Amino acid sequence: DAKTTQPNSMESNEEEPVHLPCNHSTISGTDYIHWYRQLPSQGPEYVIHGLTSNVNNRMASLAIAEDRKSSTLILHRATLRDAAVYYCILRPYPSGSARQLTFGSGTQLTVLP
Amino acid sequence: EAGVAQSPRYKIIEKRQSVAFWCNPISGHATLYWYQQILGQGPKLLIQFQNNGVVDDSQLPKDRFSAERLKGVDSTLKIQPAKLEDSAVYLCASSRGKGTLNTEAFFGQGTRLTVV
Repeated sequence: DAKTTQPNSMESNEEEPVHLPCNHSTISGTDYIHWYRQLPSQGPEYVIHGLTSNVNNRMASLAIAEDRKSSTLILHRATLRDAAVYYCILRPYPSGSARQLTFGSGTQLTVLP
Repeated sequence: EAGVAQSPRYKIIEKRQSVAFWCNPISGHATLYWYQQILGQGPKLLIQFQNNGVVDDSQLPKDRFSAERLKGVDSTLKIQPAKLEDSAVYLCASSRGKGTLNTEAFFGQGTRLTVV
């Protein structure tokens, strides 16, 4: 499986933007970039995904480098409720690989009031 | 839309005892996953079902863990006998299915197992 690399932890101030980086230098052409987050004592939840173009939804934005070897999850205005572990995951499509949702250790985001 | 339901939420057992966890996925979701999450680590896939067939169980410790998904809906994960190192949160997730573009996975809240 293609691997992702994320910082272990990051801090942000409340109401400021947060940029969470992810490196995936061995990404293949059929890998989608997915982001999930896990709030304390909860199961992971889907945040956003993309292939080549930047993506926006109500939760976040995903900026994908032109060579696709890195991406950045952007929270436009962090709130205390955004404190969580954020996982960057590569998923192939079509889903040929069974082990297609492989989590790393993620980035622990702390939001300071 | 109801989410993924898991029970129990918490379980404490002694080592060498057996335990079972239950998962009810979102209606219509063909793919079901069981993950093990040890404290401080990301979730690790144990087994993946597509309908009632096993797609991947390469990381399932088959000498003590078993899982089934009868009729392609609910699933149970069993540990027998439990070891101290099995203490973890067991997460169930479901998604629409292999080959679909909408591959978002939905997770339950998990079952926290403590083996003493």
